[in-house]
Amino acid sequence: ILNVEQSPQSLHVQEGDSTNFTCSFPSSNFYALHWYRWETAKSPEALFVMTLNGDEKKKGQISATLNTKEGYSYLYIKGSQPEDSATYLCAYRDANTGNQFYFGTGTSLTVIP
Amino acid sequence: DGGITQSPKYLFRKEGQNVTLSCEQNLNHDAMYWYRQDPGQGLRLIYYSQIVNDFQKGDIAEGYSVSREKKESFPLTVTSAQKNPTAFYLCASLPRGVLSTEAFFGQGTRLTVV
Repeated sequence: ILNVEQSPQSLHVQEGDSTNFTCSFPSSNFYALHWYRWETAKSPEALFVMTLNGDEKKKGQISATLNTKEGYSYLYIKGSQPEDSATYLCAYRDANTGNQFYFGTGTSLTVIP
Repeated sequence: DGGITQSPKYLFRKEGQNVTLSCEQNLNHDAMYWYRQDPGQGLRLIYYSQIVNDFQKGDIAEGYSVSREKKESFPLTVTSAQKNPTAFYLCASLPRGVLSTEAFFGQGTRLTVV
């Protein structure tokens, strides 16, 4: 079982604050790193798929970076809104088992109006 | 609309009974997965299937069984041998062999065994 860790476990911020969280994964045999946004009672929704060291991706006010050599990815939310409240999951894919996803425990974000 | 459908959303069963959770997709994806989530833990892989009539155990397969008779369907049976079946179960699918594509998920089934 590959270890994928996310921090912090939960986060409460005020509307308009910017925030970031971390996903750590094994630095060897990297294949891909996925970020998902999961709202209560809904399906996880794909945010980003990152495959190359140094990748930076952006979707609206959400962006992500990837460092495969040191085994981490950051997710940033600029100017958080209440509708950004969700659990943010990262999933690591290993080169030896390419189609298996190894999930972190998620970061639960609550944006207070 | 293409997607993954899990049913039912909530399921209650008596201890000692087998129960089957449904997962159907119309995305023409080859690979399908079953995950389990417990409070404070990440999604853990139960079983996965890369192609029809073939499936592999994941990290926590004990007490579960699956079948993959059709590309669209990957039902999960929680047997009486599963010691702690109460959990949230999530099904996913992925086109086989594509590096950068995302996985698609159902909305999950919450199973409670009483």
